[in-house]
Amino acid sequence: ETGVTQSPTHLIKTRGQQVTLRCSSQSGHNTVSWYQQALGQGPQFIFQYYREEENGRGNFPPRFSGLQFPNYSSELNVNALELDDSALYLCASSRGGSDTQYFGPGTRLTVL
Amino acid sequence: DAKTTQPTSMDCAEGRAANLPCNHSTISGNEYVYWYRQIHSQGPQYIIHGLKNNETNEMASLIITEDRKSSTLILPHATLRDTAVYYCIALYNFNKFYFGSGTKLNVKP
Repeated sequence: ETGVTQSPTHLIKTRGQQVTLRCSSQSGHNTVSWYQQALGQGPQFIFQYYREEENGRGNFPPRFSGLQFPNYSSELNVNALELDDSALYLCASSRGGSDTQYFGPGTRLTVL
Repeated sequence: DAKTTQPTSMDCAEGRAANLPCNHSTISGNEYVYWYRQIHSQGPQYIIHGLKNNETNEMASLIITEDRKSSTLILPHATLRDTAVYYCIALYNFNKFYFGSGTKLNVKP
């Protein structure tokens, strides 16, 4: 158990819809990173939030956006869902941008 | 960030040491080596990390070569619950972990 929680556990959406995934960071952590993991592949970095500001972004289009709140929890929003967005979405929290990341259990998103 | 190369899969007998190699020949002096593992569709679990020196914790040992171009993760007494995908990551910018494909470790009875 890392103390990082994610909701919901599973989600089914249709193409073109929008989705919001949520992450609560471990106590004492002020940084949250989001990853997308397609079936059979390693996690791919989407972006990181440090003290409510975006602090780095991977190779994902602008329809992937995020927020971090004053309590350091975070949301990942994906607009105009595509079939290829079907994946396990992972968040990880850390003490600052230069520390070990601890992962939550993930949210399984299926786009039909 | 330096890219890493790992074998696709490895087998290990239960109770024996599992030695998982990782090549990071382009690693720079400031890049740490991190190891995570992922048990089927769960979130990755942090194992250990190091910069230059060998490291040991309650889960594993990390051996980094003197030139830092490769490392080995050692699970001293593998159990069936250690069956997982193991990721070796070399990074400097902590805001981006590059996971690669990892090594699938199969621990067999």
